[in-house]
Amino acid sequence: EADIYQTPRYLVIGTGKKITLECSQTMGHDKMYWYQQDPGMELHLIHYSYGVNSTEKGDLSSESTVSRIRTEHFPLTLESARPSHTSQYLCASSEVGAAFFGQGTRLTVV
Amino acid sequence: QKEVEQNSGPLSVPEGAIASLNCTYSDRGSQSFFWYRQYSGKSPELIMSIYSNGDKEDGRFTAQLNKASQYVSLLIRDSQPSDSATYLCAVSGGYNFNKFYFGSGTKLNVKP
Repeated sequence: EADIYQTPRYLVIGTGKKITLECSQTMGHDKMYWYQQDPGMELHLIHYSYGVNSTEKGDLSSESTVSRIRTEHFPLTLESARPSHTSQYLCASSEVGAAFFGQGTRLTVV
Repeated sequence: QKEVEQNSGPLSVPEGAIASLNCTYSDRGSQSFFWYRQYSGKSPELIMSIYSNGDKEDGRFTAQLNKASQYVSLLIRDSQPSDSATYLCAVSGGYNFNKFYFGSGTKLNVKP
């Protein structure tokens, strides 16, 4: 099972601020993913990476950006937060087989 | 058409009964199939993986795969109130082998 960590767990921030959500995994997985999920709603893939220096947009259009400079690290950045960005953001990683999720970051933009 | 379809529920079963959750997928080339459990406000937790046709059992959980029918199911025997959660079906290994496709989930309520 992967160890995958997300920080912060909760974030309340004002409109217009730049934020970075951190995601790190210790299992050396090549594939990493960011999902967005509103309460009671389905998961939406917003970004994924299948290795260092590779990033792809997911199925849901997002104003966020990601980078993958190191295998273990896949941060997500919002340059200017808006109330519409309020959601839960889930990071996951996989190698062969299942994806394993971090505990998530619940973001509230006020 | 969605890649993975699930009945949203809620599915209500009495404690001790068998809960049956179903999932269909559209990409016939899919190779890997997963069931996740998600409690309210928490992240999805893997409970079963299945890769070949037939049944796979793990404790009270049995996953069933029928690739010809593009159908995956999860049976939970002796259901407990602690099993009350949303169950997500996920599929990977098809035409975009790097991606996982998740269903919208089935909410299960186990009544004491």
